[in-house]
Amino acid sequence: EAGVVQSPRYKIIEKKQPVAFWCNPISGHNTLYWYLQNLGQGPELLIRYENEEAVDDSQLPKDRFSAERLKGVDSTLKIQPAELGDSAVYLCASSLVPTRALETQYFGPGTRLLVL
Amino acid sequence: GNSVTQMEGPVTLSEEAFLTINCTYTATGYPSLFWYVQYPGEGLQLLLKATKADDKGSNKGFEATYRKETTSFHLEKGSVQVSDSAVYFCALSDNTDKLIFGTGTRLQVFP
Repeated sequence: EAGVVQSPRYKIIEKKQPVAFWCNPISGHNTLYWYLQNLGQGPELLIRYENEEAVDDSQLPKDRFSAERLKGVDSTLKIQPAELGDSAVYLCASSLVPTRALETQYFGPGTRLLVL
Repeated sequence: GNSVTQMEGPVTLSEEAFLTINCTYTATGYPSLFWYVQYPGEGLQLLLKATKADDKGSNKGFEATYRKETTSFHLEKGSVQVSDSAVYFCALSDNTDKLIFGTGTRLQVFP
């Protein structure tokens, strides 16, 4: 069974440019998460989807970040415009049901973003 | 708010040495506790979990016991291998669906 797929694995852009990350969760997983991981830190939740509905986006900086999960499968996270401080690893994870039910979250390898 | 504190790394050990990585938490209510591992170039993987006080999670020779009285969930392994070299993250989940992670501890095991 394929795991969580993310692309690209690496991205280098100049500040003020837009950037998008793509995530394909494990087949059948209804819940999808986007995390931000700064260097030397643990992941921090940006947004959580249950099917196509964003049920927790309280940590998403909505002035420049946006996300969508059309048809409740793949998801895209966008930054426009990117700032130097956005340099980090962006992780996608999925689970069959929300973690409240103690369902394991499965993580993708992440997209490492460098903003110059 | 809820938080997780881990010992700073790197932790450097020789093969077959005993491993302890400390983790303490602050939370209201009764959180579930997790250890995730991140091998080089790979995504985070769940290593073990415990859902209530005195539960012991175990996997691949690693163990951690949920200690409510000391708010701790220390990770232990009796004999580490070079292949255990990775970054280990302690995390908690309260009554929401949010995982709150510690900062991670890098383990380096040398032959």
